[in-house]
Amino acid sequence: AQTVTQSQPEMSVQEAETVTLSCTYDTSESNYYLFWYKQPPSRQMILVIRQEAYKQQNATENRFSVNFQKAAKSFSLKISDSQLGDTAMYFCALNFGNEKLTFGTGTRLTIIP
Amino acid sequence: AAGVIQSPRHLIKEKRETATLKCYPIPRHDTVYWYQQGPGQDPQFLISFYEKMQSDKGSIPDRFSAQQFSDYHSELNMSSLELGDSALYFCASSFHLSTGAYEQYFGPGTRLTVT
Repeated sequence: AQTVTQSQPEMSVQEAETVTLSCTYDTSESNYYLFWYKQPPSRQMILVIRQEAYKQQNATENRFSVNFQKAAKSFSLKISDSQLGDTAMYFCALNFGNEKLTFGTGTRLTIIP
Repeated sequence: AAGVIQSPRHLIKEKRETATLKCYPIPRHDTVYWYQQGPGQDPQFLISFYEKMQSDKGSIPDRFSAQQFSDYHSELNMSSLELGDSALYFCASSFHLSTGAYEQYFGPGTRLTVT
């Protein structure tokens, strides 16, 4: 069975700074997919970024980028130029294609004005 | 762009009552997933459907059942409700690809409170 671990329950950073959220995972499969979801106070789950395990190039979406280290089974999310609207719970998740998502326990990120 | 629709958004039921949650996936999406998120917890997978057939089952109580209809909408039926069933219930949809993964897009959730 696969597991996803987020070891930072809470983080805070000043507005406009850069912050990195950590995620590690464990799976015996070679083909899998990793995601970061954002859950703001509204509780909506919003997809931030995805990474295919077979791709070596790190995914980037505007201010959001990942550092995917396959050998280390690490998948961190970097948020550049953080904004107040980035305040949310961030969940790292993994699946094997058209299957359920397995989530980590989340990191609560607060952006300080 | 159209998103996943869930109804109702809020539901209050008493213990031992029955509840039905509905999910309307994004147009052309053929796969639906149900997740349960308790207070302060991460979402836990309940069940999924692809082309109206159950494709996977997670930690879903026997008191719960679900199905996907011909128009791809899905319903989660919950009977003999317990206080512990109080949670946020998400539906997510995706387009099934024979290879690769397609992102799961989540609805706004149904907040169920059992009193």
